[in-house]
Amino acid sequence: DTAVSQTPKYLVTQMGNDKSIKCEQNLGHDTMYWYKQDSKKFLKIMFSYNNKELIINETVPNRFSPKSPDKAHLNLHINSLELGDSAVYFCASRQQGADTQYFGPGTRLTVL
Amino acid sequence: GNSVTQMEGPVTLSEEAFLTINCTYTATGYPSLFWYVQYPGEGLQLLLKATKADDKGSNKGFEATYRKETTSFHLEKGSVQVSDSAVYFCALTNSQGAQKLVFGQGTRLTINP
Repeated sequence: DTAVSQTPKYLVTQMGNDKSIKCEQNLGHDTMYWYKQDSKKFLKIMFSYNNKELIINETVPNRFSPKSPDKAHLNLHINSLELGDSAVYFCASRQQGADTQYFGPGTRLTVL
Repeated sequence: GNSVTQMEGPVTLSEEAFLTINCTYTATGYPSLFWYVQYPGEGLQLLLKATKADDKGSNKGFEATYRKETTSFHLEKGSVQVSDSAVYFCALTNSQGAQKLVFGQGTRLTINP
């Protein structure tokens, strides 16, 4: 299936731990994004990469570090997790020149 | 900066009722406008979009018209079904640059049989 996929779907961890979320798209898109959805369902951009180059960084704490090993993958590493990091994280991708973003199924992160 | 405002939810309707979810935006330039839908426990799916003034996006019986004069993109459906129960997000993106999506706060819709 052609899609945007994320792993894991659920992640439960303790405060202070370091964790990673992975995203892969097989749509051949050039640009990938991370969005955060808080407990009130509000969605906000965090990062965007175009062809492995960071192009958006929206005042996210530097405990969050995105990494794009190639244009089909965009991973999100989070250091020293805090309670406020609990949220659903969505990956998305877009073909350069097009305006529609395609979203992954989300990763629900719970920090205890 | 760019922003999107949606009508506050939750919205509860009976099956076959007429639906309107209001959306207004503030943006520089000529944004593209979108409605995304999130079904319970799932990710975001594109429902419809419009890229220029007076364009009408439509899908699955839903429609929205890009109104530049009123900076609005209201979502409508003539006869809702129980399966339409979901959270609906209005969003915009500018045509230049990184094209990040700016979302409204979401409107939770519940359709009762």
